[in-house]
Amino acid sequence: EAQVTQNPRYLITVTGKKLTVTCSQNMNHEYMSWYRQDPGLGLRQIYYSMNVEVTDKGDVPEGYKVSRKEKRNFPLILESPSPNQTSLYFCASSPAEARGEQYFGPGTRLTVT
Amino acid sequence: AQKITQTQPGMFVQEKEAVTLDCTYDTSDQSYGLFWYKQPSSGEMIFLIYQGSYDEQNATEGRYSLNFQKARKSANLVISASQLGDSAMYFCAMREFEGGSNYKLTFGKGTLLTVNP
Repeated sequence: EAQVTQNPRYLITVTGKKLTVTCSQNMNHEYMSWYRQDPGLGLRQIYYSMNVEVTDKGDVPEGYKVSRKEKRNFPLILESPSPNQTSLYFCASSPAEARGEQYFGPGTRLTVT
Repeated sequence: AQKITQTQPGMFVQEKEAVTLDCTYDTSDQSYGLFWYKQPSSGEMIFLIYQGSYDEQNATEGRYSLNFQKARKSANLVISASQLGDSAMYFCAMREFEGGSNYKLTFGKGTLLTVNP
C-alpha cells in the first residue's frame, strides 16, 4: 500500500529534551515536506526537500532541523523543544513531476511541557 | 495579505443537501494549482480535488466539484448530497508553480462543516 508513515503518532515530552519524529514514504517520491498545524492558523511549512541531500527552509523553520540521507526518509529533529512547538505535525510527499498534490502522513501530535 | 482566505469558520448543512465552502486566493503567478483537503476528527489529511489554473472546465470528483472563477480568484468546493461522514474540517490550498523548486502548499485556515441528520 502506497503510504507515508510517521512515528510516533503521539508524544509528550519536556522542554529541552531532544526528539526526532520519523517520516518514511514508499512511493519513491522526490519531494518531501514537513508542516505544522495550529488552531486557527491552518498548516504552515517547516522544511522541505527536493531530493537526497537537498533541503531548505519553509515558512516556520526556527527550532527545527531535518535531514535527507535516503530518498524514502525525512526525519524532523527538535534539538531543544519548547512549549511553543506543541502542535500537530504532518509529513507529506509528492513526485517531482506532478501537479503538486501531496500525500500526507497520519500526523504526530506533540506536546512539550 | 493572506494568500488563501476561507471566510466561513463553520458551516451547517442538512443531510442530503448540497453545501458550498468558500475559498478565495491571491497570487500573481499565471500557473498555479488549487486543492481541497478534508480533515476528519481522526486528524488525517485527505485529498479531495484539484483545479489547475489553465484547466478550462471545473474539476469534479464524485460528489465533490470545484466552482472555479478565475477572474474573481475563487475556488469554492461544492459537496452534493451531504452525508454524515462529510462532517470534518475542510482546507483550501494553493501551489504556485512559478515559485521555484518548493512544492509548498499554502493553506487557508479551514472551514468546519457539520452535517445534521
